[in-house]
Amino acid sequence: DAKTTQPNSMESNEEEPVHLPCNHSTISGTDYIHWYRQLPSQGPEYVIHGLTSNVNNRMASLAIAEDRKSSTLILHRATLRDAAVYYCIPKQGAQKLVFGQGTRLTINP
Amino acid sequence: DTEVTQTPKHLVMGMTNKKSLKCEQHMGHRAMYWYKQKAKKPPELMFVYSYEKLSINESVPSRFSPECPNSSLLNLHLHALQPEDSALYLCASGDGHFGGYTFGSGTRLTVV
Repeated sequence: DAKTTQPNSMESNEEEPVHLPCNHSTISGTDYIHWYRQLPSQGPEYVIHGLTSNVNNRMASLAIAEDRKSSTLILHRATLRDAAVYYCIPKQGAQKLVFGQGTRLTINP
Repeated sequence: DTEVTQTPKHLVMGMTNKKSLKCEQHMGHRAMYWYKQKAKKPPELMFVYSYEKLSINESVPSRFSPECPNSSLLNLHLHALQPEDSALYLCASGDGHFGGYTFGSGTRLTVV
């Protein structure tokens, strides 16, 4: 499993963009980069995933470095409901989903 | 239906009790998973079922016994648990390949 490094915690303000970084320097060429988040008292929730190109969906955008050794999850306009622990997980095909420590995101009103 | 349903939501059991956790999904996913999560820690994988067969057991003690009766149901049978087994038990389902997993809200288990 590729090792990931994420900040333990980050803080942002409501209605501002948030950039959550992840380093995954040992990622293999066929690992997709998955992001999940876990809101308080809930199970993890899938956010987005990508391989090489930047990806957008209704929840977030994923920017992947050209060398794929890092990625950034972008929340374009944070709300209080985005306060959660965010996990970056490299995963290849049918391999198991292994969670690291993640980043605890706090949103200030 | 795009949910994974776990029951019960809360469970308190004694160390000599036998209980079961239940997980259900109707998304046609052929892979189902059990995770254990201690407070302030990330989820840890316990078991993986693929096409109703156990494919991964992450060296989980035998007091935890998984069962997959059909493609929609996943059970976790509990027997002779210890207080340190108290945790949030999460079930998930997925297509096992490139898509995302869908997690339930979990069963919060307390062993007394």
